Amino acid sequence: NAGVTQTPKFRILKIGQSMTLQCTQDMNHNYMYWYRQDPGMGLKLIYYSVGAGITDKGEVPNGYNVSRSTTEDFPLRLELAAPSQTSVYFCASSAWTGASSYNSPLHFGNGTRLTVT
Amino acid sequence: KNEVEQSPQNLTAQEGEFITINCSYSVGISALHWLQQHPGGGIVSLFMLSSGKKKHGRLIATINIQEKHSSLHITASHPRDSAVYICAVPRGTSYGKLTFGQGTILTVHP
Repeated sequence: NAGVTQTPKFRILKIGQSMTLQCTQDMNHNYMYWYRQDPGMGLKLIYYSVGAGITDKGEVPNGYNVSRSTTEDFPLRLELAAPSQTSVYFCASSAWTGASSYNSPLHFGNGTRLTVT
Repeated sequence: KNEVEQSPQNLTAQEGEFITINCSYSVGISALHWLQQHPGGGIVSLFMLSSGKKKHGRLIATINIQEKHSSLHITASHPRDSAVYICAVPRGTSYGKLTFGQGTILTVHP
């Protein structure tokens, strides 16, 4: 199994450009998440989804949009890139196992390093 | 005060030493995660625990729910253990919406 696959690995954007970060998982996981990691800071949740068709905001959603049309895919859209969005972005997924879902490990993609200049 | 605080922020050890990384949190939780971020950037889940202790190879994680404290121990450390170790706790009652610590940078010298 490939696990969680993110593309691209690196990207440089100019201010105001838009792009979509792709994330796909082949583990049939219900939960999917987008995090950003700024230097010296902890990971912060941007958006998450508990299943196809259901998404919700995390801590830092401004400037981003998501969709979840299938179980496998959870793309993150940046509409008007700003320097503050320079970061490393991680997609993750986990299985829903009912009441013991907290026992389900998170599976992370390898990250996308985005620079906005 | 951050909801999740780790100590130390940086840790340097010699190969073979016993390592302890601490995580304190200020909110009530159902489970705590320990993650490892490799120098190349990839993140893997090491443990999730809601009580007591878990062991995997040379790694041991403990948690004291009453004291809101968890520790990650590495026995017989090795240079390949060099990585950033991150603890995370759920925000509220929503599993997966995690608050992360800033990470502990561990360097193990041969």
